[in-house]
Amino acid sequence: EAGVAQSPRYKIIEKRQSVAFWCNPISGHATLYWYQQILGQGPKLLIQFQNNGVVDDSQLPKDRFSAERLKGVDSTLKIQPAKLEDSAVYLCASSDQGVKTQYFGPGTRLLVL
Amino acid sequence: AQSVTQLDSHVSVSEGTPVLLRCNYSSSYSPSLFWYVQHPNKGLQLLLKYTSAATLVKGINGFEAEFKKSETSFHLTKPSAHMSDAAEYFCVVSEPNYGQNFVFGPGTRLSVLP
Repeated sequence: EAGVAQSPRYKIIEKRQSVAFWCNPISGHATLYWYQQILGQGPKLLIQFQNNGVVDDSQLPKDRFSAERLKGVDSTLKIQPAKLEDSAVYLCASSDQGVKTQYFGPGTRLLVL
Repeated sequence: AQSVTQLDSHVSVSEGTPVLLRCNYSSSYSPSLFWYVQHPNKGLQLLLKYTSAATLVKGINGFEAEFKKSETSFHLTKPSAHMSDAAEYFCVVSEPNYGQNFVFGPGTRLSVLP
């Protein structure tokens, strides 16, 4: 079974630029999550999708962050414009029905200069 | 809303000695609990999960955890540490019947000394 795929793995941008991350969940997983993990901290949920609908985006900074999951499969997370404090690893996870175990992708490491 | 406390930010053990990583949770409902491990520059890997079945849960790589409702704890243990166990460990709580929101603890960094 293929795992959660993310790209790119690394990205370096300057502040005020825009950036987009892509995630392809495990086949058949209806729920998709985006997390932000700042160095030395645990992951923080940014947004949760159920199929192509948003379940929870209460911690998403909506003035600069946006996410979509068209057709209920893969998803993109965008930051525009980026700030220095956005430097972090962005993790995508998907979960199945039933016991709802999350499976994580390798993450995208973002550095904003 | 649920929350997770990991009592130690850093634990250091000698190779071959037992490991204990502590986790306490707060939940208004019957929670699901998970332990994940994150090796440097690697993704998060599921170690084990509790979902209201047996209270003693066995995971991969010799780890296990015991759900104690009276103590609201879900401590992670391993009888004998290996050098490859050095990593960051996260305890996670979820309320399956309430929004399915996963909340991570701050993490415990495990060091294994030769």
